[in-house]
Amino acid sequence: AQSVTQPDIHITVSEGASLELRCNYSYGATPYLFWYVQSPGQGLQLLLKYFSGDTLVQGIKGFEAEFKRSQSSFNLRKPSVHWSDAAEYFCAVGAGYTGGFKTIFGAGTRLFVKA
Amino acid sequence: EADIYQTPRYLVIGTGKKITLECSQTMGHDKMYWYQQDPGMELHLIHYSYGVNSTEKGDLSSESTVSRIRTEHFPLTLESARPSHTSQYLCASSESAVSYEQYFGPGTRLTVT
Repeated sequence: AQSVTQPDIHITVSEGASLELRCNYSYGATPYLFWYVQSPGQGLQLLLKYFSGDTLVQGIKGFEAEFKRSQSSFNLRKPSVHWSDAAEYFCAVGAGYTGGFKTIFGAGTRLFVKA
Repeated sequence: EADIYQTPRYLVIGTGKKITLECSQTMGHDKMYWYQQDPGMELHLIHYSYGVNSTEKGDLSSESTVSRIRTEHFPLTLESARPSHTSQYLCASSESAVSYEQYFGPGTRLTVT
């Protein structure tokens, strides 16, 4: 069965430091991969997505993610974190199955940014 | 910017009441979804729709019901609210199955006392 694991429940980084949020997935074929961000009291906003092609994907707000098939990972990175990046981040995998498709979300990683 | 709206944003209601959470989108998307989200937990799909007059239950069993009479409108109803229904409910839509990308509303935080 498809699944998404975000090993870190929360992460704290200093403003200006680099960031990497981990995501591992389980799926038999090449999945559609997404990172979403959720600010307090808001819905989810798409940061970036990977469907095929270049395994390094650029997104909004200076984020990027790298798809590594051998590791079943899709880690999110940012070279320099800003205080406004404090939020919850969700990794998701979109997968087809007989009769349709589904998007499976990880449990999320909450990012704290300290001054 | 996605145009998907949810009302109310916050709702506190007593046990046994009937409630309807509204969700509307102006993007003309065929596919719409309802998720339940609890703190520190992944989003759980409770209902989805592939178009008008099409509704299906999601992975997480829910006592709520949905309807899709118009493309832009996908309300969720609880006939008799219970404290176990306390949660955040997120509505989303997507353009097509191929893209999979979903656009989310701001959510409704429901508290049943």
